[in-house]
Amino acid sequence: EAGVVQSPRYKIIEKKQPVAFWCNPISGHNTLYWYLQNLGQGPELLIRYENEEAVDDSQLPKDRFSAERLKGVDSTLKIQPAELGDSAVYLCASSGADRLGHNEQFFGPGTRLTVL
Amino acid sequence: TQLLEQSPQFLSIQEGENLTVYCNSSSVFSSLQWYRQEPGEGPVLLVTVVTGGEVKKLKRLTFQFGDARKDSSLHITAAQPGDTGLYLCAGLMDSSYKLIFGSGTRLLVRP
Repeated sequence: EAGVVQSPRYKIIEKKQPVAFWCNPISGHNTLYWYLQNLGQGPELLIRYENEEAVDDSQLPKDRFSAERLKGVDSTLKIQPAELGDSAVYLCASSGADRLGHNEQFFGPGTRLTVL
Repeated sequence: TQLLEQSPQFLSIQEGENLTVYCNSSSVFSSLQWYRQEPGEGPVLLVTVVTGGEVKKLKRLTFQFGDARKDSSLHITAAQPGDTGLYLCAGLMDSSYKLIFGSGTRLLVRP
């Protein structure tokens, strides 16, 4: 079974430019998460989707960040305009209740963003 | 302020040595997870502990959840170079889906 797929794996842009990240979750997983991971830190949740609905976007900086999951499967995370401090790894994760009712999160490899 | 504090931040040891990584909080968690993350990859779940005082073993790794469900430890016996990576603890608070991650312990096992 394919895991969570993210693209691109690496992105280098100049500040003030827009950037978009794409995530394809594990088939059948209704819950999708976007995390930000700064160097030397643990991931921090940006937004969580249940199907196509954003049920928690309280940590998403809405002045420059946006996300969508139009058909409840793939998702994109956009930054416009990017700032130097946005340099980080952006992780996507998905989860779906297993037969025991647990919701283990499976992470993608992340997109490493460098803003110059 | 980090809700979950991990210590040590960095650990460099020789192959065959034992080590313990700690994850501490003043908050109570309904469950706690340990992940390992390798460079260029996302975190991979190692174990979930749910009950206060619970001990789980995964080959040479032993995980313990504190009695009060505020802290946890990961002990590795006879570390191997393949154990090298970033170890993250993550707690789930009662009535919440949101995982709170610690800052991680970066482990290097030298051959």
